[in-house]
Amino acid sequence: ETGVTQSPTHLIKTRGQQVTLRCSSQSGHNTVSWYQQALGQGPQFIFQYYREEENGRGNFPPRFSGLQFPNYSSELNVNALELDDSALYLCASSFTGGDTEAFFGQGTRLTVV
Amino acid sequence: GESVGLHLPTLSVQEGDNSIINCAYSNSASDYFIWYKQESGKGPQFIIDIRSNMDKRQGQRVTVLLNKTVKHLSLQIAATQPGDSAVYFCAESISSGSARQLTFGSGTQLTVLP
Repeated sequence: ETGVTQSPTHLIKTRGQQVTLRCSSQSGHNTVSWYQQALGQGPQFIFQYYREEENGRGNFPPRFSGLQFPNYSSELNVNALELDDSALYLCASSFTGGDTEAFFGQGTRLTVV
Repeated sequence: GESVGLHLPTLSVQEGDNSIINCAYSNSASDYFIWYKQESGKGPQFIIDIRSNMDKRQGQRVTVLLNKTVKHLSLQIAATQPGDSAVYFCAESISSGSARQLTFGSGTQLTVLP
């Protein structure tokens, strides 16, 4: 098991609503990345946070936003939920400035109805 | 656009046999490659990595081979066990400033037959 924890593990939201997902990074790690994994596909990079700022972004619209806190934990916020946002959302923590290995949490399964 | 892809979506092997999972990548700027194992309902688990200045790296029962000439990556699992059944992803790591983002392929489902 990695030291990366995500909450909640599952949730169901209605189209148009907003959602916040949370991630606690592994001890000693300073960088958090978020990925979206649709069923049967590989994870897709959403964005990365380092030093409490967005540090790289994938091809996702602005309604996907995030935060990183001084303790390196992070939140992913999604506004105006769409049905296609239904997916497993994965958080990965790593250390920028050292090794590049990323450890993943167990994910949050989001269902939009 | 550039992407990481896998040759086969499914692979079935007999318990005790060796497994080989292949992956093609197209981004010549990638300098770091990782294999992940993902079991149902869990996040990806790191298996082994390799940097672009190497062509082979071995771990416990696993070996990763990198052929930069044809942009091909493979994962070899020796003496495959039932617990190896999972989806395997290769990912390439691209540095963007100080950030490193992972680009994943679609995965190969490995099934170990008794």
